[in-house]
Amino acid sequence: GAGVSQSPSNKVTEKGKDVELRCDPISGHTALYWYRQSLGQGLEFLIYFQGNSAPDKSGLPSDRFSAERTGGSVSTLTIQRTQQEDSAVYLCASSFNMGGAGETQYFGPGTRLLVL
Amino acid sequence: DAKTTQPNSMESNEEEPVHLPCNHSTISGTDYIHWYRQLPSQGPEYVIHGLTSNVNNRMASLAIAEDRKSSTLILHRATLRDAAVYYCILRPTGANSKLTFGKGITLSVRP
Repeated sequence: GAGVSQSPSNKVTEKGKDVELRCDPISGHTALYWYRQSLGQGLEFLIYFQGNSAPDKSGLPSDRFSAERTGGSVSTLTIQRTQQEDSAVYLCASSFNMGGAGETQYFGPGTRLLVL
Repeated sequence: DAKTTQPNSMESNEEEPVHLPCNHSTISGTDYIHWYRQLPSQGPEYVIHGLTSNVNNRMASLAIAEDRKSSTLILHRATLRDAAVYYCILRPTGANSKLTFGKGITLSVRP
């Protein structure tokens, strides 16, 4: 069956450029999460969506990071004026309902971002 | 949030059982215990979760101590494909239960 998909798989960009990362969650999943994984910081939470709303943006590291979700489905994570420390794997996950403590999160393969 | 403590690494032989420990002495009564694993170059994948009782599924078993201050993930017969980083995670009850990952335990499987 179709799982969580992310695009692009890999992205190389120059410092100062903007990038957009896309996540297609499993159909029918209402909760969507963005995480990132870097060598120095491990796996860290960025933002959570319930439907199209983002009630928890507490993990976004700076105002250069933003995300939106449309139609309760696809989500886009945008990083403006990229910096070298933004280099990481950006992971998206979705879960069926409200993302409660007993629910499973299904992860995509990630987008590997390298900022030169 | 309550934290978990795991050894950094563990080695196992193929086709033998593996017991991966996790300590969570500050767990609250409504925290679920989740295990995820991450194979090389892949996103994390769900393994198993429980609240109070031991749990079994097709991938593994989860043994939870009676006082819930520790748990053990059991892989009954390790395969080479089980080599991964295993994360023990506590998830508090409530909506938006984001996953807070620690360093996990790196499992190596010898053929």
